[in-house]
Amino acid sequence: AQSVTQLGSHVSVSEGALVLLRCNYSSSVPPYLFWYVQYPNQGLQLLLKYTSAATLVKGINGFEAEFKKSETSFHLTKPSAHMSDAAEYFCAVPSSGGYNKLIFGAGTRLAVHP
Amino acid sequence: KAGVTQTPRYLIKTRGQQVTLSCSPISGHRSVSWYQQTPGQGLQFLFEYFSETQRNKGNFPGRFSGRQFSNSRSEMNVSTLELGDSALYLCASSRTSGSSTDTQYFGPGTRLTVL
Repeated sequence: AQSVTQLGSHVSVSEGALVLLRCNYSSSVPPYLFWYVQYPNQGLQLLLKYTSAATLVKGINGFEAEFKKSETSFHLTKPSAHMSDAAEYFCAVPSSGGYNKLIFGAGTRLAVHP
Repeated sequence: KAGVTQTPRYLIKTRGQQVTLSCSPISGHRSVSWYQQTPGQGLQFLFEYFSETQRNKGNFPGRFSGRQFSNSRSEMNVSTLELGDSALYLCASSRTSGSSTDTQYFGPGTRLTVL
């Protein structure tokens, strides 16, 4: 069964520093991978989606992610962190059971310090 | 275009009661999925509806049920509430009808507290 693992439940960076949030998928190469962000007391907002059309995916708010088959990874990066990036980030993969069932990682809470 | 809306945003119930949560998808979206989010278990899939039919179901007891109406609006019901049902319940809508996975857009959630 498909699953994703997010290394690091908490990540802290300084404003202006590089943001790197890690996600590794298991099993076979998934057709899709997603990154979502959740701000306090809100739902999930789509950051970006991998569809196999390109290994480097650009998303909203300056985030991007690179699909690396050799490393079974789909890490999320942003060159320069902003205070407004403080939130929880989730990596997700479709279940092998089909349709719209997403399997989420445990999430990484990003703190940005001035 | 309006996003996914969920009502109510907050609910407080006592053990043994039942609750109904509502979700209105983005206009034109026919698939609605429900997820439960808790600090201990994270985000877990409950079920998905398309054209008033449940297509997929997660590993939750039968106390959790749902339905979808002809206008694609969906409701989920939890009967005989337990303390462990306290969670944020998220609804997501997507356009697709096929076997592929379309992007899911999430609502703000309903925060359920069971006392």
